[in-house]
Amino acid sequence: EVQLVESGGGLVKPGGSLRLSCAASGFTFSHYSMNWVRQAPGKGLEWVSSISSSSNFIYYADSVKGRFTISRDNAKNSLYLQMDSLRAEDTAVYYCARGQYSGSYYGVYWGQGTLVTVSS
Amino acid sequence: IVLTQSPGTLSLSPGERATLSCRASQSVTSSYLAWFQQKPGQAPRLLIYDASTRATAIPDRFSGSGSGTDFTLTISRLEPEDFAVYYCQQYGSSPFSFGPGTKVDI
Repeated sequence: EVQLVESGGGLVKPGGSLRLSCAASGFTFSHYSMNWVRQAPGKGLEWVSSISSSSNFIYYADSVKGRFTISRDNAKNSLYLQMDSLRAEDTAVYYCARGQYSGSYYGVYWGQGTLVTVSS
Repeated sequence: IVLTQSPGTLSLSPGERATLSCRASQSVTSSYLAWFQQKPGQAPRLLIYDASTRATAIPDRFSGSGSGTDFTLTISRLEPEDFAVYYCQQYGSSPFSFGPGTKVDI
C-alpha cells in the first residue's frame, strides 16, 4: 500500500525557516517524481514544487522561487521542502504527492498534509 | 498557464448530470490535464489524467474530455458521495497550475 506521511509543520515567525519531510513507503520511491502542493485555510489548491525521480528536473511556483528548495533522498525514501524567508501568505496545509511515473507532475497518491502557520 | 473553472458552484440533486468546465489561457501541451476531487478535511483524490483517462478505481460515471484550451469533467449521475470540490490541473508546462475549483453541492 502506498503511504506518504508529511512532517515538520508548525508555527514559525515571518522571516523564519522550516523543513518539511515526506516519508514514502509501499512503492519504489526512486522510480517516481514527487510534488508539493499547498492549500491555504479555506482556499484552493496551489502547486508549489516538483522534482523528477533522479532530481534532474526541478520546478517551482513563482511565489516560492528563491525561497523554497525541494530535494529528495532516494536511499531514505524521503522528499523534503526547505522553506526559508517565510511569509504570512505561506500559511497552508502542505501535501506531498507522488507522480504517475518518473517525469509526471500530477499527484496520484497524496499524504494527509502538514500544517505550516507563519505568524508573529 | 492560468486555468479558469466554471461555474464556481453547481447546485444539483442526486441522479442529475454535472458538467464542469476548465479553460486554459493557452493551449495545454499534449492535453496534460488532470481532475481532482476534494472533500472537507481530506486530501485531494485523482479522478482523471491526460484529459480523459480515469484513474485507478474511479467509477465510470466520471469522464473527462477536451483538448487545447477547453476541458470538461462530466459526472453522469450524481451519487451522494460526489458532492465535493473539483479542481483541474495542467502539468504540460511549468508552473503546473491548478484552477480555482468548482463546488458541487446539493
